[in-house]
Amino acid sequence: GEDVEQSLFLSVREGDSSVINCTYTDSSSTYLYWYKQEPGAGLQLLTYIFSNMDMKQDQRLTVLLNKKDKHLSLRIADTQTGDSAIYFCAESETGANNLFFGTGTRLTVIP
Amino acid sequence: DAGITQSPRHKVTETGTPVTLRCHQTENHRYMYWYRQDPGHGLRLIHYSYGVKDTDKGEVSDGYSVSRSKTEDFLLTLESATSSQTSVYFCASTGTANTGELFFGEGSRLTVL
Repeated sequence: GEDVEQSLFLSVREGDSSVINCTYTDSSSTYLYWYKQEPGAGLQLLTYIFSNMDMKQDQRLTVLLNKKDKHLSLRIADTQTGDSAIYFCAESETGANNLFFGTGTRLTVIP
Repeated sequence: DAGITQSPRHKVTETGTPVTLRCHQTENHRYMYWYRQDPGHGLRLIHYSYGVKDTDKGEVSDGYSVSRSKTEDFLLTLESATSSQTSVYFCASTGTANTGELFFGEGSRLTVL
C-alpha cells in the first residue's frame, strides 16, 4: 500500500492553534482527506482537498497542500477541548475504494 | 449521519474459532467497506463491496472473507481466528465512491486469545 506518515501525538493549550502534519508517497494522489475520530467512535470526515488546490479553509480549519513535497497539514484555530481526538490523514487516487490512511495523530488539548 | 451499526461491539474468542462480524446500514449506500485499526498502522482495508454479491480484496484480506447478500448488510468472517486478528474492526459505507467520504460505524473490538 501507499505510505502515509503522521506524528503520533500533539498537545496544545486551549485557545492556541494546532497544526497536524502528514506526508505521503503516492505522486498520483488526487484526493487528500482529514478524518477525526473521537473516543469510542468511528471516523468522521472533517474536510478534503483536491490535489490541484493549495489551500482550503472551512471555519476554524485550514488545509494546506504542498504537492511538490507531498505534505499536507491541518490547522485548527482557537483549539477547544472538544477538538481532542485522533486525526487521520488519508489519500486516494480514485476515491473511496482505494483510500490509504495514516497512523493518526492524537491531539490533546490542555485546558 | 449515516445509520451504520456493527455487531457485536465487543467479542472475545479463542484461536481457531470462526467469527462473524455484521455491519448494517440504513442509507441504501451502494459501497461498503471493512477496515481494521491497529496501533501504529492506522486503518487498513480488508475487503470492500460495490454492490450486492460484488466484493473485492483490500490491502490485508488474508484470513478474512466477506459476503453481501443484501444492500444493507455486509458480513466479515474470520474462518479460523488467530491472535494476529485481535483488532478493532470498522465498517464504513458511502453512496458514491468518487469523493472518498465514508460514513463509519462505531467499531467492533475483537480479542483472540
